[in-house]
Amino acid sequence: DSGVTQTPKHLITATGQRVTLRCSPRSGDLSVYWYQQSLDQGLQFLIQYYNGEERAKGNILERFSAQQFPDLHSELNLSSLELGDSALYFCASSVTGASTGELFFGEGSRLTVL
Amino acid sequence: QKEVEQDPGPLSVPEGAIVSLNCTYSNSAFQYFMWYRQYSRKGPELLMYTYSSGNKEDGRFTAQVDKSSKYISLFIRDSQPSDSATYLCAMSAGAQKLVFGQGTRLTINP
Repeated sequence: DSGVTQTPKHLITATGQRVTLRCSPRSGDLSVYWYQQSLDQGLQFLIQYYNGEERAKGNILERFSAQQFPDLHSELNLSSLELGDSALYFCASSVTGASTGELFFGEGSRLTVL
Repeated sequence: QKEVEQDPGPLSVPEGAIVSLNCTYSNSAFQYFMWYRQYSRKGPELLMYTYSSGNKEDGRFTAQVDKSSKYISLFIRDSQPSDSATYLCAMSAGAQKLVFGQGTRLTINP
């Protein structure tokens, strides 16, 4: 158990809908990262927050947004969903804001868009 | 061209074999190199961590980094069925994001 909690584990929805994925980082970790994993693209970095502030942005679509709350949990919002958004979404956390240390990953949220 | 290239496999070897997994990269600023292991339906977990060039050994696992060739490797000795997983290389320049390879799916056959 990495200590990172993600909900929901599975989500099935329709095109055009909006979903929210939630992540609770390990106790004491200030950074939260969101990754998307699909079969053909591998693990793609979406966005990073450090202590409530956006730290780095990857290939995150404009339809997607995220935030980190004062209690350090984070939410990833996906809107106007398309079939291609079906993927595993991972949250990871680390103590620091730099990508030089270990990231602790949750078990992921599997999103299926029908 | 992707920043990090990794053969997705799949790779299937008999129990006890030596496994070699590799990644190449294009960004010469990368200094931190990692290998993550991901079991089916689980999140990735850190297996090996190396800073700059050189070798690092941990039990049956050895990580090698050759910055001059922009090439990193992970060797698994005396492979076990429990080593069956997807192995992802990852690297960063420090302040920037961690970039992952596509992952190599490995199966160790008893």
